[in-house]
Amino acid sequence: SAVISQKPSRDICQRGTSLTIQCQVDSQVTMMFWYRQQPGQSLTLIATANQGSEATYESGFVIDKFPISRPNLTFSTLTVSNMSPEDSSIYLCSVMGRSTSGANVLTFGAGSRLTVL
Amino acid sequence: RKEVEQDPGPFNVPEGATVAFNCTYSNSASQSFFWYRQDCRKEPKLLMSVYSSGNEDGRFTAQLNRASQYISLLIRDSKLSDSATYLCVVGRGGSQGNLIFGKGTKLSVKP
Repeated sequence: SAVISQKPSRDICQRGTSLTIQCQVDSQVTMMFWYRQQPGQSLTLIATANQGSEATYESGFVIDKFPISRPNLTFSTLTVSNMSPEDSSIYLCSVMGRSTSGANVLTFGAGSRLTVL
Repeated sequence: RKEVEQDPGPFNVPEGATVAFNCTYSNSASQSFFWYRQDCRKEPKLLMSVYSSGNEDGRFTAQLNRASQYISLLIRDSKLSDSATYLCVVGRGGSQGNLIFGKGTKLSVKP
C-alpha cells in the first residue's frame, strides 16, 4: 500500500490565522482525499483532491474555508483558513489503494493535529 | 437515523474473551463495507473488508446482513494488542473515497 507523509504532525495556532497541511504520497494516485476527525467524533470527508481540476467538496465544506491544491499526482495541500477553536481537529490525508485481496481500501496519513487557541 | 451507528463502548474484556461489535447503516444502496482499527492518537488502518458471504481472517470474523443493514465483527481469543477503537465504515457510492465512518467502538483488553 502507498506510504503517505503528512506535515505538520501537530500545530498550535492562533485564532484568525491560516495553516497549510502538506501530504506527500510515494506513488502516483489519481485522487487524494482529505478527512477531518474532530475530538470524540467520526471521520468526515472534507473534499476529494483531483489532479488538474478543482477539488470536490462535501456538504458543509467550502473552498474559501478549506482551499486545496493538487499540483501533481503525488502531492496535495489543505489549508484551514481563518481558524477558530471549532477547527481544532485532526486532519487526515488519504488515498485509495488495493488490499491483498484486491478490494479498494483507503490508506491514511498519520494526520495533522491542530489546536486553535 | 445516523448514517452509520455503533455502540461506543467501552468494552472491557479479559484476555482470551470473545467480543462482538455491531453496526447499522442507513443507506440501503451502500455497496462496500469495512472495519477499520484506530489506535490512540494514530490514523485508522484497515482491519478487514466485509463481504455478503461473511469473511474470516484469523481470530476476526466479519458478517454483513444487507436485509437488516447490519454489520458485525467478532474477535475471538482477545489479545492485549487488540485494545483499540474499531470503526465501522460504509461506502456512500460515487467517489471511491467517500466513506462514512462510524464513531467507533472502544475495546480494552485486560490481562
